[in-house]
Amino acid sequence: EAQVTQNPRYLITVTGKKLTVTCSQNMNHEYMSWYRQDPGLGLRQIYYSMNVEVTDKGDVPEGYKVSRKEKRNFPLILESPSPNQTSLYFCASSSHRDYGYTFGSGTRLTVV
Amino acid sequence: EDKVVQSPLSLVVHEGDTVTLNCSYEVTNFRSLLWYKQEKKAPTFLFMLTSSGIEKKSGRLSSILDKKELFSILNITATQTGDSAIYLCAGGNTDKLIFGTGTRLQVFP
Repeated sequence: EAQVTQNPRYLITVTGKKLTVTCSQNMNHEYMSWYRQDPGLGLRQIYYSMNVEVTDKGDVPEGYKVSRKEKRNFPLILESPSPNQTSLYFCASSSHRDYGYTFGSGTRLTVV
Repeated sequence: EDKVVQSPLSLVVHEGDTVTLNCSYEVTNFRSLLWYKQEKKAPTFLFMLTSSGIEKKSGRLSSILDKKELFSILNITATQTGDSAIYLCAGGNTDKLIFGTGTRLQVFP
């Protein structure tokens, strides 16, 4: 089944403790992206990647890192999480950057 | 600054009603307009529109784009309770998709 898999689905952590949210797609898509979704603000892009070893900042990249060492994986790294990073995070992939995305199921992160 | 604005913010209707959701956009190097439906979690893709005036249809849902007025609408006819969701509109350019904040639709029996 074609899908984007994110893990974990839920995570509660403390301020400053490094964490990684994994994202994997099995559709051989070139384009992958991370979004966060907050009430009243909609989906905002954090980082995107157009192919292996090619990443670029989105609208809200501060406090996040990404890597794209393999085509299928695009992990999101929070080196020192803070409470303002509490949000619902989505990974998405697409065969082209302006085509319809396939979204993962989301990761609800709470930083206390 | 690129932006996508959706209206209304929220809509409550009875089953069987027809609804129209609006999306206006200002996106540099605009290439496409996309609609998504978000229920419990992940948004699911509905339509992608690239040309003005060509209606896309899927069952009771249809959508059209006006590139001159920078506007798109999503119509849902004969609504059902299963249509209750947040509907997201996004404008795409060469780099990314810019999402609106969504319209929350609630359909009551």
